[in-house]
Amino acid sequence: QVQLVESGGGVVQPGGSLRLSCAASGFTFSSYVMHWVRQAPGKGLEWVAFILYDGSTKDYADSVKGRFTISRDNSKNTLYLQMNSLTAEDTAVYYCAKNGKTVTSPSAFDYWGQGTLVTVSS
Amino acid sequence: EIVLTQSPGTLSLSPGERATLSCRASQSVASTYLAWYQQKPGQAPRLLIYGASTRATGIPDRFSGSGSGTDFTLTISRLEPEDFAVYYCQQYGSSPFTFGPGTKVDIK
Repeated sequence: QVQLVESGGGVVQPGGSLRLSCAASGFTFSSYVMHWVRQAPGKGLEWVAFILYDGSTKDYADSVKGRFTISRDNSKNTLYLQMNSLTAEDTAVYYCAKNGKTVTSPSAFDYWGQGTLVTVSS
Repeated sequence: EIVLTQSPGTLSLSPGERATLSCRASQSVASTYLAWYQQKPGQAPRLLIYGASTRATGIPDRFSGSGSGTDFTLTISRLEPEDFAVYYCQQYGSSPFTFGPGTKVDIK
């Protein structure tokens, strides 16, 4: 069965960096577009970034552009999110999610991880 | 960027009642690339509906979606106790893949 397991969250000071990982299993990871979505405490969902199945194309929400970098290692079935210059507004649960289709045409997110909490605080 | 607005913010209903949730987009959503997700406290979101009206795998038929262009609706025909949750719409036709602010369905 499909599993997405995030890790790497924790407490970090403002201005600091953190790298999140998402270990995927139960499907052909290298065939799917992957996403990061975050949710601040008590708030709604915010899409953060996506990466094509081969890593050739990436895009970001304006709120993280220039600070966050999404990447993937298809040999390790793992998705990453490198987060730099963190501020309190980045405090959230970060979820990885997979597209529902293998092709690059638009697709809803059919599986989500359980999330990892990032807290930016001094 | 496509902005999604959901109404109402909170819907207070009893089990067995019908729930009608609305999602409105600031511009037309291409090819009905509109999804609905359910989220319960402490859990990840779960995909309910994609393509505006297609139920995801394993989703009961009491959930239905409709709409096109800028106006979409999620209907729960008869609320079960496990349906009380927050529901989000999302457009995935163009980046950024925006979500609505959510509608909370709680027990009256």
